[in-house]
Amino acid sequence: AQTVTQSQPEMSVQEAETVTLSCTYDTSESDYYLFWYKQPPSRQMILVIRQEAYKQQNATENRFSVNFQKAAKSFSLKISDSQLGDAAMYFCAYRKGGTASKLTFGTGTRLQVTL
Amino acid sequence: EAGVAQSPRYKIIEKRQSVAFWCNPISGHATLYWYQQILGQGPKLLIQFQNNGVVDDSQLPKDRFSAERLKGVDSTLKIQPAKLEDSAVYLCASTPSGTWGAGELFFGEGSRLTVL
Repeated sequence: AQTVTQSQPEMSVQEAETVTLSCTYDTSESDYYLFWYKQPPSRQMILVIRQEAYKQQNATENRFSVNFQKAAKSFSLKISDSQLGDAAMYFCAYRKGGTASKLTFGTGTRLQVTL
Repeated sequence: EAGVAQSPRYKIIEKRQSVAFWCNPISGHATLYWYQQILGQGPKLLIQFQNNGVVDDSQLPKDRFSAERLKGVDSTLKIQPAKLEDSAVYLCASTPSGTWGAGELFFGEGSRLTVL
C-alpha cells in the first residue's frame, strides 16, 4: 500500500522569507503523480502544484516549487517570498497512474506566516 | 463555473443518531469522492464513484456508513448510527471524466460533523 509521510506538523516563516515543507512517500509503482494541496482555515482544499514521476524536471508555479528526489522518494515544497495568505494546512498527496486511482494524503503541515 | 457544493456545513448530533450529507459536484464531472478528515489527520478516502457506479469503497465502514450517487450526479453520504469517532469533516471532491493521474481533484468546503 502506498503511504505518504509529512514529518513536520507545524512550520513557521516570516513574511517575504522562504520555507520548505517536507514529504516522503512509499510506493512500488513506476507510474505515479505527486501533489501539494493547500487547505486554508474553513475553506476548501486547492491544488498548489503537481509533479509527474516520469518527469525529471522539478515543477514550479510562481512562488511555489518542488524538489522531487525520485530515488529517495522525497517530494518537498518550497514557498518563496512567503505571504500572509500562504498560511494554511499543506497536504502532500500521491496518486497512482490510471483513470480510477484515488488520492492518498499525508497528515499535513500547518504553516504559520508571521510579520 | 460553480464549484463543488456541500451541505450542511455544520452538524451536531448525539451518538447513535443518524446524519446525511449531500454533495453536488461540478457539472460534467464523472468521478466523485467522499473523504473523511479527522482533526489532525489527512483526508482518508471513504468511497469513490465513477458516474453512478462504485469504484472503491474498501475503507467505508459499511455497518454504519452508506453512500449513493443516483443518476451519476449528486451524492449522499449517510451515517447510521453515529459514533463519537465519526466526528470529522466530510469532504466531497470531483474530477472530470477520463481524468488521468495528474488530474486535479476539486474539493467542496466540507461538512463538519460533531458527535456528542
